[in-house]
Amino acid sequence: ELKVEQNPLFLSMQEGKNYTIYCNYSTTSDRLYWYRQDPGKSLESLFVLLSNGAVKQEGRLMASLDTKARLSTLHITAAVHDLSATYFCAVDAGGSTLGRLYFGRGTQLTVWP
Amino acid sequence: DVKVTQSSRYLVKRTGEKVFLECVQDMDHENMFWYRQDPGLGLRLIYFSYDVKMKEKGDIPEGYSVSREKKERFSLILESASTNQTSMYLCASSDRQGHHEQYFGPGTRLTVT
Repeated sequence: ELKVEQNPLFLSMQEGKNYTIYCNYSTTSDRLYWYRQDPGKSLESLFVLLSNGAVKQEGRLMASLDTKARLSTLHITAAVHDLSATYFCAVDAGGSTLGRLYFGRGTQLTVWP
Repeated sequence: DVKVTQSSRYLVKRTGEKVFLECVQDMDHENMFWYRQDPGLGLRLIYFSYDVKMKEKGDIPEGYSVSREKKERFSLILESASTNQTSMYLCASSDRQGHHEQYFGPGTRLTVT
């Protein structure tokens, strides 16, 4: 079974700082997704990464995928309070379970002034 | 925009009751999923479906069943609710042919007393 590990699980950072969230997974896949969840709300799609070397950027967030290393990163640039949320990565194992996503446990990000 | 709706945002039921959670999507997606989310445990897949009248067990199917009689609707059934089924339930759908990006409903917070 595919395992997805995120780290850190909790991240407290000051406004204006940079940081990276890591997502490692255990078996070959070239489909990786990042989601955001605000407290009490549902999950919202942020990025879809579909090939090795894929890089997507939206505002202060940039996601990348290295399928050889089985690693995705979500980089935060000059954090602002509005980025406070929980971030999940998810991986599609493909094959007979194509479309089923395996989620990491999430990284709870708090940005303080 | 893809829209996934769930029948209730909040639900309170008594132990032993039969509980129905409904999910409807309006984008003609083939794939539909039910998750539960608990603090510290992330998202756990209960059941999923790749087509009408098809169902597949996820990681924690015990105590649950599902029904998919129409493509747009996927129901989660708690045959006899128990207090350990108090949780946030999230429904999602995705396109079999596309990127498999899952779109989530707003969630149902179920409390079993």
